[in-house]
Amino acid sequence: GAGVSQSPSNKVTEKGKDVELRCDPISGHTALYWYRQRLGQGLEFLIYFQGNSAPDKSGLPSDRFSAERTGESVSTLTIQRTQQEDSAVYLCASSRSGVGNEQYFGPGTRLTVT
Amino acid sequence: GESVGLHLPTLSVQEGDNSIINCAYSNSASDYFIWYKQESGKGPQFIIDIRSNMDKRQGQRVTVLLNKTVKHLSLQIAATQPGDSAVYFCAEIDYGKLTFGQGTILTVHP
Repeated sequence: GAGVSQSPSNKVTEKGKDVELRCDPISGHTALYWYRQRLGQGLEFLIYFQGNSAPDKSGLPSDRFSAERTGESVSTLTIQRTQQEDSAVYLCASSRSGVGNEQYFGPGTRLTVT
Repeated sequence: GESVGLHLPTLSVQEGDNSIINCAYSNSASDYFIWYKQESGKGPQFIIDIRSNMDKRQGQRVTVLLNKTVKHLSLQIAATQPGDSAVYFCAEIDYGKLTFGQGTILTVHP
């Protein structure tokens, strides 16, 4: 079957504009994660969805960042009023359930804020 | 898109013991490595990193060893505590491309 997909693969936006990133997890995976990776740096956890539970938003860096998930399906990560510091690769991953299960990552969205 | 699946072996230790978690990486060009800890119901947390020009780095209760000859990375946790129970996984970075190695479920028994 298909893996985790993300769109767009690349996004260039002007400072101050809003952007929306999409993640389609593997069908049947109840857990979904968003991460941010700046060039040459490690993975930063952003947010974690597990089934119908309240998401773990502890990694969101500011109130300009938000994410939604429709049931156990697609998720969107929204960044409002983008800043140059938001430039990074945004990775999404899904797993059958929560921690302790294999995580499958999408290819990421490379966001460049000019 | 390309996906990476993680195989998760398990390690069980007694509280107070030292733990060693191993990871094999594949890309000899990778120049930066990270260990993450992920507790149940939470997102992953950065533990420690090491650059390819080093073979050892120490943090608080943790030490990472890098053997570039055999492309092997290990995480040593001293005096393991129940709060250390989590999934641990390594990641390698090569020109911005992140590749995760195998994860390990660590269970610490009181």
